[in-house]
Amino acid sequence: AQSVTQLGSHVSVSEGALVLLRCNYSSSVPPYLFWYVQYPNQGLQLLLKYTSAATLVKGINGFEAEFKKSETSFHLTKPSAHMSDAAEYFCAVRNTGFQKLVFGTGTRLLVSP
Amino acid sequence: ETGVTQTPRHLVMGMTNKKSLKCEQHLGHNAMYWYKQSAKKPLELMFVYSLEERVENNSVPSRFSPECPNSSHLFLHLHTLQPEDSALYLCASSQVHAPRTSGGYNEQFFGPGTRLTVL
Repeated sequence: AQSVTQLGSHVSVSEGALVLLRCNYSSSVPPYLFWYVQYPNQGLQLLLKYTSAATLVKGINGFEAEFKKSETSFHLTKPSAHMSDAAEYFCAVRNTGFQKLVFGTGTRLLVSP
Repeated sequence: ETGVTQTPRHLVMGMTNKKSLKCEQHLGHNAMYWYKQSAKKPLELMFVYSLEERVENNSVPSRFSPECPNSSHLFLHLHTLQPEDSALYLCASSQVHAPRTSGGYNEQFFGPGTRLTVL
């Protein structure tokens, strides 16, 4: 089965600083990988996805992620954090079993002025 | 209405009550999902309805009963719940192009969730 691990349940940055949220995956098949964001009291919104095309994937709100097979990583970055980026971020991998999307435990991003 | 909608947004119920959660998708998708989101735990997929076929997580208790009358509507019927069932229940939908193959499932679109509290 496929799985993802998100390092750090909380990440704090200052407004304008680089955002780096880490995700490592385990997959026995070529992975499809996703990043979702969840704002308070809302559902999950797709930020970006990797489906074996370009290794650098650009998403909404200025986020991007790079697929690195050698490191089994799919880290999410944004050059300059905004206050509105404060949310919880979930990495997910497509699965071949019952649970078609396997999610990580999430990383809460805190942005301070 | 656009996307995936869920009602009610908040629900408080006693352990002896019977209630239902409703989900509606306006995206023309052919698969719908119920997830449970508890604090500090990964999202747990409870049920999948895809092309009129139902697949369930065998670990979900029978006090949760899904119903999918058509491809746009999904219900979760609740009865005799326990306090540990308190959580955010998320509905999602997606388009399935190739049933029963791993490559057929595209990204899922989520509703805002129902915050359930069981007293």
